[in-house]
Amino acid sequence: GQQLNQSPQSMFIQEGEDVSMNCTSSSIFNTWLWYKQDPGEGPVLLIALYKAGELTSNGRLTAQFGTTRKDSFLNISASIPSDVGIYFCATQGGSEKLVFGKGTKLTVNP
Amino acid sequence: DTGVSQDPRHKITKRGQNVTFRCDPISEHNRLYWYRQTLGQGPEFLTYFQNEAQLEKSRLLSDRFSAERPKGSFSTLEIQRTEQGDSAMYLCASSLDGFSTEAFFGQGTRLTVV
Repeated sequence: GQQLNQSPQSMFIQEGEDVSMNCTSSSIFNTWLWYKQDPGEGPVLLIALYKAGELTSNGRLTAQFGTTRKDSFLNISASIPSDVGIYFCATQGGSEKLVFGKGTKLTVNP
Repeated sequence: DTGVSQDPRHKITKRGQNVTFRCDPISEHNRLYWYRQTLGQGPEFLTYFQNEAQLEKSRLLSDRFSAERPKGSFSTLEIQRTEQGDSAMYLCASSLDGFSTEAFFGQGTRLTVV
């Protein structure tokens, strides 16, 4: 089946640092989504990308749809403690279902 | 409307018991999805409805699982004869028709089977 590979699995950074994470696949997709999940909560959509090469920002977050359509990147600038959580990439895996990666767990030290 | 609502938030049950979860989607959303999430994994698709019609079911949805959306509004997910492997977070999401990539998730129901 379709598999999304996220890296790194976890990150420990200092407040104020920039963060980069990525998501790759062996398959080509038309959509890339980035979600954040806080402990005990459901995922919240951060950014949606629909076109190869597209670069979209949401505040301090910037995501890019890779030109090969097989990958996507999420950057967080000037991290703050509330950025802590698990970040998931996702795509549309045929029909209406979403396929998620295993997530990148972010820890921000004040 | 405050978003997708799920009830209960937590459920502890003994192996072999039946459990039922409820999801109330955002009121104008005609699509409703169920996902399951185990520790250290991303959510995995179980099934989805368009209005009251169940249009797709994952192979993960064994015959012990049944989902309904009788009036096209709220949905229930029932697990019969629960097993320890059913322990997970069960997430519900809803979206407008044609906007499945912009689904809104509920807070989930955490099931623990002991």
